[in-house]
Amino acid sequence: AQKITQTQPGMFVQEKEAVTLDCTYDTSDQSYGLFWYKQPSSGEMIFLIYQGSYDEQNATEGRYSLNFQKARKSTNLVISASQLGDSAMYFCAMREGTRFGAGTRLTVKP
Amino acid sequence: EAQVTQNPRYLITVTGKKLTVTCSQNMNHEYMSWYRQDPGLGLRQIYYSMNVEVTDKGDVPEGYKVSRKEKRNFPLILESPSPNQTSLYFCASSLYGDTEAFFGQGTRLTVV
Repeated sequence: AQKITQTQPGMFVQEKEAVTLDCTYDTSDQSYGLFWYKQPSSGEMIFLIYQGSYDEQNATEGRYSLNFQKARKSTNLVISASQLGDSAMYFCAMREGTRFGAGTRLTVKP
Repeated sequence: EAQVTQNPRYLITVTGKKLTVTCSQNMNHEYMSWYRQDPGLGLRQIYYSMNVEVTDKGDVPEGYKVSRKEKRNFPLILESPSPNQTSLYFCASSLYGDTEAFFGQGTRLTVV
């Protein structure tokens, strides 16, 4: 069965600095997709970025990028130039979202 | 505007009183699913549907029912709610099972 692990319950980062949120996964599938979602305090779930297992390059989307290490089964989210509005819960998920990690609460300090 | 609409947003009910949370999407998506979110556990899938009249259990289906009679609608039914079903519920849809999901705004359910 697929499993997603986010080991950082909470993270702090100074405004304008970069931060990395960790995610490891376990699957026996050869083809799979990994997603990151953001959940601000208002509660909605917002899709951020996607990485396919056969993608040769790390996904990037504006200030978001993924450090995808297939052999280590990890896909860490890097947020560059953090903004106060980045304070939220961040979830890593696999494929269609059948499996979500427990989430990491990011707090950006001014 | 492309969206997933859940109703109600907030609901307080008593143990044993049947309730339905509605979910509707206007994006002609094939795949729809329901999740519950509890602190420290992330989102756990309750049921999903890959197309009309096709539904299947997720990780935590006990105590819930769903139906998919039309492509756009995927209601979640709690026949006899219990306090352990107090949670934040999300409906989501995606074009296919392995594409990005669009989420509803969530339904906060309290069962007393």
